[in-house]
Amino acid sequence: NAGVTQTPKFQVLKTGQSMTLQCAQDMNHEYMSWYRQDPGMGLRLIHYSVGAGITDQGEVPNGYNVSRSTTEDFPLRLLSAAPSQTSVYFCASRVDSSYNSPLHFGNGTRLTVT
Amino acid sequence: KNEVEQSPQNLTAQEGEFITINCSYSVGISALHWLQQHPGGGIVSLFMLSSGKKKHGRLIATINIQEKHSSLHITASHPRDSAVYICAGREGSNYQLIWGAGTKLIIKP
Repeated sequence: NAGVTQTPKFQVLKTGQSMTLQCAQDMNHEYMSWYRQDPGMGLRLIHYSVGAGITDQGEVPNGYNVSRSTTEDFPLRLLSAAPSQTSVYFCASRVDSSYNSPLHFGNGTRLTVT
Repeated sequence: KNEVEQSPQNLTAQEGEFITINCSYSVGISALHWLQQHPGGGIVSLFMLSSGKKKHGRLIATINIQEKHSSLHITASHPRDSAVYICAGREGSNYQLIWGAGTKLIIKP
């Protein structure tokens, strides 16, 4: 199993550009989520999904869209990039919504918006 | 004020020392996770616990739900233990975890 695969690893955008961060998992996990990590702060939840066709907002959803058309894939779209979205983004999945199962993280995407 | 506080923020120790990282929370937590973030950035789940103690190799995690406190201990620390250690708590039946800011641990040979 590859686990959770995120692409790209690094990305530089100009203000106003849009892009999609890809996340795929091959563990048949129901629950998938996107976090951003900023210096000195804990991980912050952007969006999450408890199954195909179901998504919901997390703590910091503004400026981001998600969709979950398949169990495997959970892409994160930046609609119009802003410097405040410069961050490291992590995709994570777990077997189900229960917190008795561990989170599996991708290796992260380092995004810089100039 | 962050609802999940970790201490210390930074910790430097010599190889072989016993390490303790603390996690305190101000909300009612039903379960707590400990995770390790490697210097390269990858994050790995270490423990999930809702009571008592769990042990995996040289790592031990304890939690006292009533006192709203958890600790992560590393015995016989090694330079490869150098990482950021993060705790995160589940508040009741909420889907969202409340994350600590992490403790950066450096073990010197």
